[in-house]
Amino acid sequence: GEDVEQSLFLSVREGDSSVINCTYTDSSSTYLYWYKQEPGAGLQLLTYIFSNMDMKQDQRLTVLLNKKDKHLSLRIADTQTGDSAIYFCAETAFSGGYNKLIFGAGTRLAVHP
Amino acid sequence: AAGVIQSPRHLIKEKRETATLKCYPIPRHDTVYWYQQGPGQDPQFLISFYEKMQSDKGSIPDRFSAQQFSDYHSELNMSSLELGDSALYFCASSLGGLAGAKFFGPGTRLTVL
Repeated sequence: GEDVEQSLFLSVREGDSSVINCTYTDSSSTYLYWYKQEPGAGLQLLTYIFSNMDMKQDQRLTVLLNKKDKHLSLRIADTQTGDSAIYFCAETAFSGGYNKLIFGAGTRLAVHP
Repeated sequence: AAGVIQSPRHLIKEKRETATLKCYPIPRHDTVYWYQQGPGQDPQFLISFYEKMQSDKGSIPDRFSAQQFSDYHSELNMSSLELGDSALYFCASSLGGLAGAKFFGPGTRLTVL
């Protein structure tokens, strides 16, 4: 079945690095995504990684993929108060030749001074 | 850069009324996805369209229907609204039904009284 799991909360100090972890179940997922959602706002695509990659870096964001363990992580360097939000991990699930996103429950990141 | 547009942004309806939500994908994107996000929940997949044909169906109630038009915009029609339909409804678009980044709109917040 399709399932994505994330820890629900993470609290970090401003300037530290944040690491948000995610596990997924569908080994056929070709893309894995990280979305950011601020209170009352939409889902902002942060980054995504293709399943044949094990790392992707984009400015302060680093995505690590361990396909064997079906583990995905998002590292935010130099975390700022503006990074406070809910971060959703999502895998792609194929059905009838098309794909859809399956989201985790989201990790609420709180950044404190 | 153009983004996914959803209208209206907020909608208040009473029980048993109908509602129509609209989604305008990013130009040249041919695939549209609809998600429902209840309070404190992760987004749940409802339905998707690729090249104006329904490509996948998730947990969409029979009271809801959707379609994608020739200009690729999509509408989600909701009838006999119930209190439990109160949620944030997101539309996402991508280029190609199989892979690629999926960009979300800002969402329509539906409140059913």
